[in-house]
Amino acid sequence: QSALTQPRSVSGSPGQSVTISCTGTSSDVGGYNYVSWYQQHPGKAPKLMIYDVSKRPSGVPDRFSGSKSGNTASLTISGLQAEDEADYYCCSYAGSYTLYVFGTGTKVTVL
Amino acid sequence: QVQLQESGPGLVKPSQTLSLTCTVSGGSISSGGYYWSWIRQHPGKGLEWIGYIYYSGSTYYNPSLKSRVTISVDTSKNQFSLKLSSVTAADTAVYYCASGPYSQFDYWGQGTLVTVSS
Repeated sequence: QSALTQPRSVSGSPGQSVTISCTGTSSDVGGYNYVSWYQQHPGKAPKLMIYDVSKRPSGVPDRFSGSKSGNTASLTISGLQAEDEADYYCCSYAGSYTLYVFGTGTKVTVL
Repeated sequence: QVQLQESGPGLVKPSQTLSLTCTVSGGSISSGGYYWSWIRQHPGKGLEWIGYIYYSGSTYYNPSLKSRVTISVDTSKNQFSLKLSSVTAADTAVYYCASGPYSQFDYWGQGTLVTVSS
């Protein structure tokens, strides 16, 4: 099972919106509504930001939103803030054999 | 709020077995509903799910690591553990314990770096 494909990096100015894509196959992203997104600051553990494609855990700002179309999931950060600068990883359920597959990771830079 | 903390040796020799323990506080492994996973991150790289255990003891492992992985649980101590056998330099990584419902990882430990070197 290959890792899900994410852009290596995206950037935006404070207040702008950025979107991170996460491309898989019909065996993972396209096959289930179990895509989650994680934010990781340097030297820190990942933090759950989105689950079940578009749901936000309590405490996550509503600037973060998720969606999916076909085999590609997306994370959008609206109103970009300095503290959003981090690495972001998607993760998808991939069926009863592989279970979970992560994305390659995207570095978000706030200009 | 569930908190997880990894512990174990930071240095393991090649061909030996890596052993880590995750201690859970703020919640009980026995309460059910959550799956208790190990996830690793090679230096400067992405995340790789290793496997999970449920409070009942049922396990599931990443097929790519299955032959070398054992995850166990000690509900009396509210801990679960990872053993990875026959390690090589390719197993050098930060190892995280994490938990959540079946489809996501809500809580994470801080991570522990394990280096495989003679």
